[in-house]
Amino acid sequence: KAGVTQTPRYLIKTRGQQVTLSCSPISGHRSVSWYQQTPGQGLQFLFEYFSETQRNKGNFPGRFSGRQFSNSRSEMNVSTLELGDSALYLCASSFLGNEQFFGPGTRLTVL
Amino acid sequence: EDKVVQSPLSLVVHEGDTVTLNCSYEVTNFRSLLWYKQEKKAPTFLFMLTSSGIEKKSGRLSSILDKKELFSILNITATQTGDSAIYLCAVEAQNSGGSNYKLTFGKGTLLTVNP
Repeated sequence: KAGVTQTPRYLIKTRGQQVTLSCSPISGHRSVSWYQQTPGQGLQFLFEYFSETQRNKGNFPGRFSGRQFSNSRSEMNVSTLELGDSALYLCASSFLGNEQFFGPGTRLTVL
Repeated sequence: EDKVVQSPLSLVVHEGDTVTLNCSYEVTNFRSLLWYKQEKKAPTFLFMLTSSGIEKKSGRLSSILDKKELFSILNITATQTGDSAIYLCAVEAQNSGGSNYKLTFGKGTLLTVNP
């Protein structure tokens, strides 16, 4: 079974730009969660989608948004990028929502 | 707000040593506690614990949960250099809306095993 895939693996953007990250879950998994990981804050929950609906949301500003498609693939969008948005963005999929399988992440650098 | 605290933040040991990593939590409506190992990029699942006092074991790794004292430990015996990684603890709890669950992660313990 193929694992969780994320694209792109690396991104470099400048402040004020926007970015869209993509995540394809394991086949059959309907839950997709997004996390931001930085050295100082660790892994922080952004949001979770299940069957195309946002089911949970973390404490991030509205510049961070996401969506899920009918094939369970998910995208995350960050608008008006700030330097502090530089991080590893991880996507995780699960069947029932607890045991999560992580993708390799997208490393975003904001200059 | 849900809180998960791991200790120590980092640890350096020699091959063959035994290590114990700690995870304490304060959450509302606990459902499960999970341990992950993160080497280069993606965390990989190790254990899920839901009941107190029942040890989960996988090779040289084992973990146990104490729901009364609100903590879990992850033990690694006879450590090897390949055990070097960040070990993450996450707690699944019911969200404020009451209908769904979400994971809250600790900041991790960076374990370095020297030859």
